Amino acid sequence: NAGVMQNPRHLVRRRGQEARLRCSPMKGHSHVYWYRQLPEEGLKFMVYLQKENIIDESGMPKERFSAEFPKEGPSILRIQQVVRGDSAAYFCASSPTATAKNIQYFGAGTRLSVL
Amino acid sequence: GQNIDQPTEMTATEGAIVQINCTYQTSGFNGLFWYQQHAGEAPTFLSYNVLDGLEEKGRFSSFLSRSKGYSYLLLKELQMKDSASYLCAPAGTASKLTFGTGTRLQVTL
Repeated sequence: NAGVMQNPRHLVRRRGQEARLRCSPMKGHSHVYWYRQLPEEGLKFMVYLQKENIIDESGMPKERFSAEFPKEGPSILRIQQVVRGDSAAYFCASSPTATAKNIQYFGAGTRLSVL
Repeated sequence: GQNIDQPTEMTATEGAIVQINCTYQTSGFNGLFWYQQHAGEAPTFLSYNVLDGLEEKGRFSSFLSRSKGYSYLLLKELQMKDSASYLCAPAGTASKLTFGTGTRLQVTL
C-alpha cells in the first residue's frame, strides 16, 4: 500500500510564476490536509478537503492560493504569482475519515523555492 | 485560538531516557498527537492520547492531562537514530492539527 505521494519533491519558480503542487492520498483515504512549514517554524494548517469539497480553508492566505480535490486525480495546491515569502515546504496528509482519532499520514513534502 | 509550548532543543546521551514536555491551550480539543520528523522528511506518527494517562508503545510512551493542558513524550533507551524533531499536535475540530515549532532532540554518544 503506497503512502501519501507528493510531487514534485522540489520546485523552483521565479517571482510571478505559478506553482502547482500535487498530492495523491493513501489508497482508501478520502480526506486530505495541506500544511506549510516555513524555515525554522512549525507546520501550519492551510486547508482540509474531501473529494470535490473544501471543508475548512481557514489557514489559506486570502489571495493567490487555492486548493482542489477532484473526483478523479490528485489534490492540487495552486499558488499564483509566487513571491519569495512563499518559499517553504508544503506537506500533504491524508486520513480515511475525519474523526479526530484517525491518524493523518504525511507525504514527503514539496519544497518550493522562489527566486 | 491555539497555543502550544515545547522546548526548542534538547540533548541526551545514547541509552538514556528523555522526556519532552508540551503544554497547550486549544478550543475543541479532540486528543493530542505526537509526530517525529527527521530533517527534510515527512512527519511520522508516534502516538495519540485522548484520555488522561500514559500510553506505552515500545520505547516510546506518551502522557496526557487534559485538565492541565499538558502532555509529554518519553523516549527510553535512546538511539542515535532518535535524533529528530518531535512535534506535539493537539487535534481540534474536523481533525485539524495544530503543531508547535517542535523540539529538536540531539542524541550524543
